[in-house]
Amino acid sequence: EAGVAQSPRYKIIEKRQSVAFWCNPISGHATLYWYQQILGQGPKLLIQFQNNGVVDDSQLPKDRFSAERLKGVDSTLKIQPAKLEDSAVYLCASSLQGSNNEQFFGPGTRLTVL
Amino acid sequence: GQQLNQSPQSMFIQEGEDVSMNCTSSSIFNTWLWYKQDPGEGPVLLIALYKAGELTSNGRLTAQFGITRKDSFLNISASIPSDVGIYFCAAKYNAGNMLTFGGGTRLMVKP
Repeated sequence: EAGVAQSPRYKIIEKRQSVAFWCNPISGHATLYWYQQILGQGPKLLIQFQNNGVVDDSQLPKDRFSAERLKGVDSTLKIQPAKLEDSAVYLCASSLQGSNNEQFFGPGTRLTVL
Repeated sequence: GQQLNQSPQSMFIQEGEDVSMNCTSSSIFNTWLWYKQDPGEGPVLLIALYKAGELTSNGRLTAQFGITRKDSFLNISASIPSDVGIYFCAAKYNAGNMLTFGGGTRLMVKP
């Protein structure tokens, strides 16, 4: 069974530029999560989708971050404009419907903002 | 916000030794999870605990859900080089809540 796919794996941009990350969850997984993992810290949830609806985006910096999952399958996370402190690994995870099921993580996208 | 305090932050041990790490919080949680993250990869679930006092094993790994619901520990017996990585605890209050992660314990094993 294929795991969670993410692209790109690495991205380097300058501050104030825009960037987008893509995630394709495990087939059949209705719940999708985006996490931010700053170096030396644990992952922090940014947003959780159930199918194409947002369940929790309380920790998403909405002035610069946006995410969508229009067809309830793959998802994109965008940062516009990026700041230096956005340098981190952005992890996507998916689970069967409901957040009490095991979350399977993708390999992440490592973002460096210069 | 809710925080999980993990200790130690890092450990450097000899192959064959046993390892113990723990996670504490000032808040009560009803689910505790332990993950391992290898370089360049996402975290992988090792053990899930759903009941206070529960002791669960997965091979050489054993984890316990503290009776106060404010802590958990993970033990690894007879460590091997492939145990190297970062171990994270994570917890949530109920099924609808977000998962909160600890800061991680970096484990290094000397052959």
